[in-house]
Amino acid sequence: DVKVTQSSRYLVKRTGEKVFLECVQDMDHENMFWYRQDPGLGLRLIYFSYDVKMKEKGDIPEGYSVSREKKERFSLILESASTNQTSMYLCASASGRTYEQYFGPGTRLTVT
Amino acid sequence: LAKTTQPISMDSYEGQEVNITCSHNNIATNDYITWYQQFPSQGPRFIIQGYKTKVTNEVASLFIPADRKSSTLSLPRVSLSDTAVYYCLSRGSSNTGKLIFGQGTTLQVKP
Repeated sequence: DVKVTQSSRYLVKRTGEKVFLECVQDMDHENMFWYRQDPGLGLRLIYFSYDVKMKEKGDIPEGYSVSREKKERFSLILESASTNQTSMYLCASASGRTYEQYFGPGTRLTVT
Repeated sequence: LAKTTQPISMDSYEGQEVNITCSHNNIATNDYITWYQQFPSQGPRFIIQGYKTKVTNEVASLFIPADRKSSTLSLPRVSLSDTAVYYCLSRGSSNTGKLIFGQGTTLQVKP
């Protein structure tokens, strides 16, 4: 089975802190994604990567950056966390052009 | 502007067939339509994917008309454990071709 793991299930950070969310997949997938999920807004794509060191902006990249130094790992970085970034963050991976994405369990981030 | 639209919620009873329709205008001509299921406190899980006409697997069927501007997820004989949020996913036809999730349909299955 494909496994996508995220570094934390729950995280509490203070406003202005730099936050790292890590995602690791074990299926050698080319594509990896970061989403945030908020009530009433569904899943919104922040960034995605289709290869090592490659990245593309999604719908809501402002306030976020990403890093993909190795194929299996995709990190989401909040340079200076703000309260409006309190959300559920979901990582996913997929092979090729398929949309059969495999999601991690999510990280619920609270910024106070 | 590409947009994906689903009903916000649906109710059903155990044993019934449930059909959830998603509208996706301006869909890319050469990409798949995919549906996901999500339970509370979990990431979405892939259910089914199709390009046109009908696709069936052990879990569901997916109907896609010729114009591909909509798709219908069909769940046969639902049970209480099918209570979840269901999302459709497609890609917009613009140059950016962004992946677009629907807002999700909360299905409540009652005994």
